[in-house]
Amino acid sequence: DSGVTQTPKHLITATGQRVTLRCSPRSGDLSVYWYQQSLDQGLQFLIQYYNGEERAKGNILERFSAQQFPDLHSELNLSSLELGDSALYFCASSVTGGGDTQYFGPGTRLTVL
Amino acid sequence: GIQVEQSPPDLILQEGANSTLRCNFSDSVNNLQWFHQNPWGQLINLFYIPSGTKQNGRLSATTVATERYSLLYISSSQTTDSGVYFCAVARGRAGFQKLVFGTGTRLLVSP
Repeated sequence: DSGVTQTPKHLITATGQRVTLRCSPRSGDLSVYWYQQSLDQGLQFLIQYYNGEERAKGNILERFSAQQFPDLHSELNLSSLELGDSALYFCASSVTGGGDTQYFGPGTRLTVL
Repeated sequence: GIQVEQSPPDLILQEGANSTLRCNFSDSVNNLQWFHQNPWGQLINLFYIPSGTKQNGRLSATTVATERYSLLYISSSQTTDSGVYFCAVARGRAGFQKLVFGTGTRLLVSP
């Protein structure tokens, strides 16, 4: 158990819908990261937050947005869902966000029908 | 951006055998991690090893940063070692990090 929690574990929804994925970092970690794992793209970085501020951005679609709240939990919002958004979404956390170990949560498996 | 290549892509072993997985990266890094993704999809941290050598039980890893590669050694493999092994690197400036993952080595250990 990495100490990073993600909810829900599984999510099944329809095209065009909007969903929210939630992540709670390890106690003491200030930085949160989101990654997407799909069959065709592999594991890809989406976005990083540090203590509530956006720090680094990857190839995150405009239909996707994220935020980190004052209690340091983070949410990833996915809207206007398409079949291709079906993937495993991981959240990770680290203490400083500057080259230290990233610990990954169990992931949320999203299926878009 | 930085490129990460892992080899071999697939590996089949008999239980008890040893193996070496390789990760090559195209630029200097300040973060390198090895992960094991088990059949349930969980990503398990194995090593944080931007340079040097570390050991944890039957697993050990070595990163030669100057030559831009890392090796993961698995000794006396067990069926529970099956899964996909990923190498991931980052080279962002302080406070800005994004791990770039390789495509993985899929390991199957048969009894």
